[in-house]
Amino acid sequence: GAVVSQHPSWVICKSGTSVKIECRSLDFQATTMFWYRQFPKQSLMLMATSNEGSKATYEQGVEKDKFLINHASLTLSTLTVTSAHPEDSSFYICSAQGSSGRGEQYFGPGTRLTVT
Amino acid sequence: AQSVTQPDIHITVSEGASLELRCNYSYGATPYLFWYVQSPGQGLQLLLKYFSGDTLVQGIKGFEAEFKRSQSSFNLRKPSVHWSDAAEYFCAVGQGGGADGLTFGKGTHLIIQP
Repeated sequence: GAVVSQHPSWVICKSGTSVKIECRSLDFQATTMFWYRQFPKQSLMLMATSNEGSKATYEQGVEKDKFLINHASLTLSTLTVTSAHPEDSSFYICSAQGSSGRGEQYFGPGTRLTVT
Repeated sequence: AQSVTQPDIHITVSEGASLELRCNYSYGATPYLFWYVQSPGQGLQLLLKYFSGDTLVQGIKGFEAEFKRSQSSFNLRKPSVHWSDAAEYFCAVGQGGGADGLTFGKGTHLIIQP
């Protein structure tokens, strides 16, 4: 149980284009999902908290107009990187909150984004 | 603000030897603590977690961790490592209720020598 998937697993796009990444909780409902960013050989940095049916909460320094988050259902959150630039190249990982209410999160396998 | 420190960037251990990965946290209340493992190019897998109760927590793959409030530590241990344990290990702290994301340490890269 508690499986989270991401699609695509990797994507290459040209500078200036937009890319959408999907995060799905496969066998449970998640009212809260989180998006993290991980640079090579570094830790995960929380980008935003995605709540079903409401606006996402962004961490300080994260551009909300660049990283659009939509949490349209209890099993799906999407992250759209708009007008991508090479510096947006990174590993994006989503997680979904477990039902225990104790902060436990289940992580997706991540999406490798390369902007050329 | 909460923070997590993993003082060892790299650790090299011989196969079959014991392992201890250090983690110190800073948090105002009782923390919810986690250890995750990440293999190259992969997502994170939860090894174990501490919420309350017994301070010695057993996890998967033979790992355990001990919560020491007086030292603000949550060190990860394994009595005998296997080559397949080579990976990146992250300690994380979160708040109860799950309303906020986790704060991660910078990770410790574990290398296993034959």
